[in-house]
Amino acid sequence: NAGVTQTPKFQVLKTGQSMTLQCAQDMNHNSMYWYRQDPGMGLRLIYYSASEGTTDKGEVPNGYNVSRLNKREFSLRLESAAPSQTSVYFCASSEARGGVEKLFFGSGTQLSVL
Amino acid sequence: QKEVEQNSGPLSVPEGAIASLNCTYSDRGSQSFFWYRQYSGKSPELIMSIYSNGDKEDGRFTAQLNKASQYVSLLIRDSQPSDSATYLCAVKIPAAGNKLTFGGGTRVLVKP
Repeated sequence: NAGVTQTPKFQVLKTGQSMTLQCAQDMNHNSMYWYRQDPGMGLRLIYYSASEGTTDKGEVPNGYNVSRLNKREFSLRLESAAPSQTSVYFCASSEARGGVEKLFFGSGTQLSVL
Repeated sequence: QKEVEQNSGPLSVPEGAIASLNCTYSDRGSQSFFWYRQYSGKSPELIMSIYSNGDKEDGRFTAQLNKASQYVSLLIRDSQPSDSATYLCAVKIPAAGNKLTFGGGTRVLVKP
């Protein structure tokens, strides 16, 4: 079982460059999320998608855009990267089973913006 | 005030001892609480969820919830070196559209 797959694992960008982080899940989950993790800050929600065709802003959406391409795929785009976007990015999907909601995370993308 | 707060640690415990982690939250209307474990360089994984006041036990882990005092705690009994990780408290915050909000995490070091 692949679960949640994110690419790339590492990326170095120069200020002003653009890139797209890809995420796909094979668990047939409706909800998908993009988080960033900075030291001591925990995980902060950037955008989420409750279902195919819908997206909503999270806590820190500025500088990012997302696309829910289909039920499996949810991509995150940085149009003009800034050093403040240096972080570890996690994609996740969620299910609610037996009254318990659980997030499944991808392996993360380490992004450095110089 | 941060919506979900944790002591960053590190919390150093000897092998075999009990590790006690605390988490406080600001929204009194919160109903769903979670503990995730994250090993260094890895992604978080769910270890406990709790929705009602009191204790919930799962193996060596016990989650404790006190909604009146707005805190949730995690006890790790018989701590093992393999428990060394960062533990993230997460709370569904009604004021934030019932989105899951994470604390900054507590780093736990279990010393043999």
